[in-house]
Amino acid sequence: ETGVTQSPTHLIKTRGQQVTLRCSSQSGHNTVSWYQQALGQGPQFIFQYYREEENGRGNFPPRFSGLQFPNYSSELNVNALELDDSALYLCASSRDPTNEKLFFGSGTQLSVL
Amino acid sequence: AQTVTQSQPEMSVQEAETVTLSCTYDTSESDYYLFWYKQPPSRQMILVIRQEAYKQQNATENRFSVNFQKAAKSFSLKISDSQLGDAAMYFCAYRSDLGYGGSQGNLIFGKGTKLSVKP
Repeated sequence: ETGVTQSPTHLIKTRGQQVTLRCSSQSGHNTVSWYQQALGQGPQFIFQYYREEENGRGNFPPRFSGLQFPNYSSELNVNALELDDSALYLCASSRDPTNEKLFFGSGTQLSVL
Repeated sequence: AQTVTQSQPEMSVQEAETVTLSCTYDTSESDYYLFWYKQPPSRQMILVIRQEAYKQQNATENRFSVNFQKAAKSFSLKISDSQLGDAAMYFCAYRSDLGYGGSQGNLIFGKGTKLSVKP
């Protein structure tokens, strides 16, 4: 059983650019959630995807968008990057949207200069 | 809105000793789940223990146990016989139990407690 994998592990962008982060969910999982973890903070929920549809969203602006593919892997896209977008982005997968058990990846560390 | 508060930014424990990490939460819901997650330097969040609010019995997982006080909205984590590998950030988290999907299924995290274990 493969775990949740995220790529890349680190990324440096400049303000105003766009970025795409990728996540492969654990085998057998159809739900993917994305979280943003700023330095010194706990993770904050961005959104969740279930069967290729957005299935819930936290308090993040529309420039944060996502996709889920038929194999349940997922992308997080952020447009018009701002300095405050610098954070660790965590992906988590689960067997269904109730998120009874979430399995996290090791995250992508994004730095916006 | 639900909130989770961890009032101890840092804690330290001697190897083989016991340490308790505190967590309080605020909610108007009666059904929910509470979690403790461990985040080592590898950054991966690892589930330590889970508690269903409807269960009065405190959850235990080997050396890890919780003290769940529903009326006081308190959920502390006790680590017994602390080991060097226990050193990490620990996050308390809350999740509503309102059924399928939506933002109700997401976790609400505290700011974390950094645990150091001294040899």
